[in-house]
Amino acid sequence: EPEVTQTPSHQVTQMGQEVILRCVPISNHLYFYWYRQILGQKVEFLVSFYNNEISEKSEIFDDQFSVERPDGSNFTLKIRSTKLEDSAMYFCASVGEAAQETQYFGPGTRLLVL
Amino acid sequence: AQKITQTQPGMFVQEKEAVTLDCTYDTSDPSYGLFWYKQPSSGEMIFLIYQGSYDQQNATEGRYSLNFQKARKSANLVISASQLGDSAMYFCAMREVGGNEKLTFGTGTRLTIIP
Repeated sequence: EPEVTQTPSHQVTQMGQEVILRCVPISNHLYFYWYRQILGQKVEFLVSFYNNEISEKSEIFDDQFSVERPDGSNFTLKIRSTKLEDSAMYFCASVGEAAQETQYFGPGTRLLVL
Repeated sequence: AQKITQTQPGMFVQEKEAVTLDCTYDTSDPSYGLFWYKQPSSGEMIFLIYQGSYDQQNATEGRYSLNFQKARKSANLVISASQLGDSAMYFCAMREVGGNEKLTFGTGTRLTIIP
Protein backbone atom coordinates (compact mmCIF):
# COMPACT_ATOMS: atom_id res chain seq x y z
CA GLU A 1 0.00 0.00 0.00
CA PRO A 2 1.40 3.43 -0.90
CA GLU A 3 2.56 5.52 2.03
CA VAL A 4 3.98 8.90 2.89
CA THR A 5 7.61 8.75 3.96
CA GLN A 6 9.65 11.29 5.91
CA THR A 7 13.34 11.75 6.60
CA PRO A 8 15.04 12.02 8.95
CA SER A 9 13.04 10.35 11.69
CA HIS A 10 14.90 12.36 14.33
CA GLN A 11 17.01 15.49 14.12
CA VAL A 12 18.89 17.37 16.79
CA THR A 13 20.15 20.84 15.94
CA GLN A 14 21.58 23.90 17.60
CA MET A 15 19.48 27.04 17.93
CA GLY A 16 20.00 29.32 14.94
CA GLN A 17 20.84 26.50 12.53
CA GLU A 18 18.89 25.74 9.39
CA VAL A 19 17.07 22.43 9.07
CA ILE A 20 15.38 20.79 6.12
CA LEU A 21 12.75 18.16 6.71
CA ARG A 22 11.97 15.92 3.79
CA CYS A 23 8.80 14.15 2.74
CA VAL A 24 7.86 11.93 -0.16
CA PRO A 25 4.07 12.09 -0.54
CA ILE A 26 2.00 9.35 -2.15
CA SER A 27 2.79 9.54 -5.85
CA ASN A 28 -0.56 10.49 -7.38
CA HIS A 29 -1.56 12.90 -4.64
CA LEU A 30 -2.06 16.58 -5.38
CA TYR A 31 -2.38 18.35 -2.03
CA PHE A 32 0.47 18.41 0.44
CA TYR A 33 0.62 19.61 4.02
CA TRP A 34 2.93 20.16 6.93
CA TYR A 35 1.66 19.94 10.48
CA ARG A 36 3.50 20.12 13.76
CA GLN A 37 2.86 18.72 17.19
CA ILE A 38 4.65 20.15 20.20
CA LEU A 39 5.18 17.45 22.80
CA GLY A 40 1.96 16.65 24.63
CA GLN A 41 -0.13 19.02 22.56
CA LYS A 42 -2.49 18.75 19.62
CA VAL A 43 -1.52 18.62 15.99
CA GLU A 44 -1.43 22.08 14.36
CA PHE A 45 -1.64 22.99 10.70
CA LEU A 46 1.37 24.82 9.29
CA VAL A 47 0.97 25.06 5.54
CA SER A 48 -0.75 23.55 2.54
CA PHE A 49 0.70 23.29 -0.95
CA TYR A 50 -1.11 22.72 -4.23
CA ASN A 51 -0.16 23.19 -7.84
CA ASN A 52 3.39 24.16 -6.89
CA GLU A 53 2.46 26.96 -4.58
CA ILE A 54 1.36 27.61 -1.03
CA SER A 55 -2.44 27.59 -0.84
CA GLU A 56 -2.74 28.47 2.84
CA LYS A 57 -0.44 29.02 5.78
CA SER A 58 -1.09 29.41 9.47
CA GLU A 59 0.17 32.19 11.70
CA ILE A 60 2.85 29.78 12.93
CA PHE A 61 4.32 29.65 9.42
CA ASP A 62 6.33 32.86 9.57
CA ASP A 63 9.25 34.04 7.45
CA GLN A 64 11.54 31.47 9.05
CA PHE A 65 9.64 28.68 7.31
CA SER A 66 9.53 27.78 3.65
CA VAL A 67 8.33 24.83 1.60
CA GLU A 68 9.41 23.46 -1.73
CA ARG A 69 8.61 20.68 -4.11
CA PRO A 70 11.95 20.65 -5.88
CA ASP A 71 11.66 17.63 -8.14
CA GLY A 72 8.06 16.46 -8.42
CA SER A 73 8.41 13.81 -5.73
CA ASN A 74 9.99 15.37 -2.65
CA PHE A 75 8.24 17.97 -0.51
CA THR A 76 10.47 19.83 1.93
CA LEU A 77 10.01 22.09 4.92
CA LYS A 78 12.89 24.41 5.70
CA ILE A 79 13.32 26.26 8.96
CA ARG A 80 15.89 28.97 8.32
CA SER A 81 17.04 29.78 11.83
CA THR A 82 15.68 27.37 14.41
CA LYS A 83 14.44 28.47 17.81
CA LEU A 84 13.97 26.40 20.94
CA GLU A 85 10.21 26.55 20.47
CA ASP A 86 10.51 24.86 17.08
CA SER A 87 11.17 21.60 18.90
CA ALA A 88 8.26 19.39 17.90
CA MET A 89 7.17 16.46 15.78
CA TYR A 90 6.64 17.56 12.19
CA PHE A 91 4.22 15.60 10.04
CA CYS A 92 3.86 15.65 6.31
CA ALA A 93 0.51 14.63 4.81
CA SER A 94 -0.94 14.26 1.36
CA VAL A 95 -4.34 13.93 -0.28
CA GLY A 96 -5.42 12.81 -3.71
CA GLU A 97 -7.72 14.67 -6.03
CA ALA A 98 -11.18 14.09 -4.58
CA ALA A 99 -12.37 16.18 -1.66
CA GLN A 100 -13.60 13.10 0.16
CA GLU A 101 -10.25 11.38 0.20
CA THR A 102 -8.39 10.62 3.37
CA GLN A 103 -5.39 12.66 4.41
CA TYR A 104 -2.50 10.25 4.99
CA PHE A 105 0.27 11.20 7.34
CA GLY A 106 3.93 10.31 7.25
CA PRO A 107 5.62 8.87 10.33
CA GLY A 108 6.92 12.29 11.38
CA THR A 109 10.28 13.89 12.06
CA ARG A 110 11.05 14.58 15.68
CA LEU A 111 13.04 17.83 15.81
CA LEU A 112 14.91 18.86 18.92
CA VAL A 113 16.47 22.32 19.04
CA LEU A 114 19.11 22.82 21.72
CA ALA B 1 -13.94 29.25 12.47
CA GLN B 2 -13.97 25.50 12.94
CA LYS B 3 -13.42 23.93 16.29
CA ILE B 4 -13.04 20.38 17.54
CA THR B 5 -13.61 19.52 21.20
CA GLN B 6 -12.49 16.37 22.92
CA THR B 7 -13.51 16.59 26.56
CA GLN B 8 -11.88 13.39 27.83
CA PRO B 9 -8.16 13.94 28.38
CA GLY B 10 -7.73 10.36 29.56
CA MET B 11 -9.70 7.13 29.80
CA PHE B 12 -9.03 3.75 31.35
CA VAL B 13 -10.91 0.75 30.03
CA GLN B 14 -10.79 -2.94 30.83
CA GLU B 15 -9.57 -5.17 28.03
CA LYS B 16 -12.36 -6.60 25.86
CA GLU B 17 -14.81 -3.89 26.84
CA ALA B 18 -16.18 -1.36 24.37
CA VAL B 19 -15.15 2.27 24.70
CA THR B 20 -16.57 5.51 23.35
CA LEU B 21 -14.34 8.51 22.76
CA ASP B 22 -16.21 11.78 22.52
CA CYS B 23 -15.81 14.45 19.86
CA THR B 24 -17.94 17.49 19.18
CA TYR B 25 -17.38 19.98 16.46
CA ASP B 26 -18.46 23.40 15.41
CA THR B 27 -18.73 24.57 11.84
CA SER B 28 -21.01 26.65 9.68
CA ASP B 29 -19.98 24.77 6.54
CA PRO B 30 -22.66 22.37 5.26
CA SER B 31 -20.01 20.12 3.77
CA TYR B 32 -17.23 18.76 5.96
CA GLY B 33 -15.39 15.57 6.83
CA LEU B 34 -14.62 14.08 10.22
CA PHE B 35 -11.65 11.84 10.95
CA TRP B 36 -10.23 9.84 13.79
CA TYR B 37 -6.51 9.17 14.06
CA LYS B 38 -4.62 6.98 16.49
CA GLN B 39 -1.21 8.03 17.75
CA PRO B 40 0.69 5.29 19.60
CA SER B 41 3.69 6.08 21.77
CA SER B 42 5.96 5.73 18.72
CA GLY B 43 4.42 8.98 17.43
CA GLU B 44 3.00 8.21 14.00
CA MET B 45 -0.54 9.26 13.06
CA ILE B 46 -2.61 6.30 11.95
CA PHE B 47 -5.87 6.94 10.10
CA LEU B 48 -8.77 4.99 11.60
CA ILE B 49 -12.08 6.12 10.17
CA TYR B 50 -13.77 8.84 8.14
CA GLN B 51 -17.32 10.26 8.11
CA GLY B 52 -18.57 12.71 5.52
CA SER B 53 -21.22 15.23 6.51
CA TYR B 54 -23.59 13.97 3.83
CA ASP B 55 -23.08 10.28 4.56
CA GLN B 56 -26.39 8.68 5.47
CA GLN B 57 -24.91 5.85 7.50
CA ASN B 58 -22.41 5.80 10.31
CA ALA B 59 -18.94 4.79 9.18
CA THR B 60 -17.50 1.47 10.32
CA GLU B 61 -14.02 -0.04 9.91
CA GLY B 62 -13.53 -3.34 11.64
CA ARG B 63 -13.69 -2.76 15.40
CA TYR B 64 -14.05 1.00 14.88
CA SER B 65 -17.34 2.74 14.30
CA LEU B 66 -18.29 6.37 14.29
CA ASN B 67 -21.45 7.46 16.07
CA PHE B 68 -22.32 10.47 13.94
CA GLN B 69 -25.08 12.70 15.30
CA LYS B 70 -25.24 15.62 12.93
CA ALA B 71 -27.87 17.64 14.78
CA ARG B 72 -25.78 17.45 17.95
CA LYS B 73 -22.56 18.02 16.00
CA SER B 74 -20.94 15.01 17.55
CA ALA B 75 -18.78 12.30 16.02
CA ASN B 76 -17.87 9.84 18.74
CA LEU B 77 -15.50 6.96 18.07
CA VAL B 78 -16.58 3.56 19.35
CA ILE B 79 -14.00 0.82 19.73
CA SER B 80 -15.51 -2.59 20.32
CA ALA B 81 -13.75 -5.41 22.16
CA SER B 82 -10.78 -3.29 23.17
CA GLN B 83 -7.29 -4.77 23.04
CA LEU B 84 -4.07 -3.87 24.82
CA GLY B 85 -2.73 -2.53 21.52
CA ASP B 86 -5.48 0.07 21.48
CA SER B 87 -3.67 2.02 24.19
CA ALA B 88 -2.73 5.29 22.48
CA MET B 89 -3.73 8.91 21.96
CA TYR B 90 -6.79 9.37 19.79
CA PHE B 91 -7.41 12.55 17.85
CA CYS B 92 -10.61 13.71 16.24
CA ALA B 93 -10.16 16.04 13.28
CA MET B 94 -12.33 17.96 10.86
CA ARG B 95 -11.61 18.88 7.30
CA GLU B 96 -12.67 22.11 5.68
CA VAL B 97 -14.15 21.12 2.31
CA GLY B 98 -13.60 23.37 -0.69
CA GLY B 99 -10.26 25.05 -0.54
CA ASN B 100 -7.11 23.46 0.73
CA GLU B 101 -8.64 20.64 2.75
CA LYS B 102 -6.53 21.23 5.87
CA LEU B 103 -7.37 19.34 9.06
CA THR B 104 -8.21 20.93 12.39
CA PHE B 105 -7.49 18.64 15.34
CA GLY B 106 -8.87 18.26 18.81
CA THR B 107 -6.66 18.00 21.87
CA GLY B 108 -6.89 14.23 21.97
CA THR B 109 -7.86 11.51 24.43
CA ARG B 110 -5.28 9.20 25.94
CA LEU B 111 -6.80 5.73 26.09
CA THR B 112 -5.27 3.12 28.35
CA ILE B 113 -6.47 -0.47 28.16
CA ILE B 114 -6.12 -2.38 31.41
CA PRO B 115 -5.46 -6.12 31.22
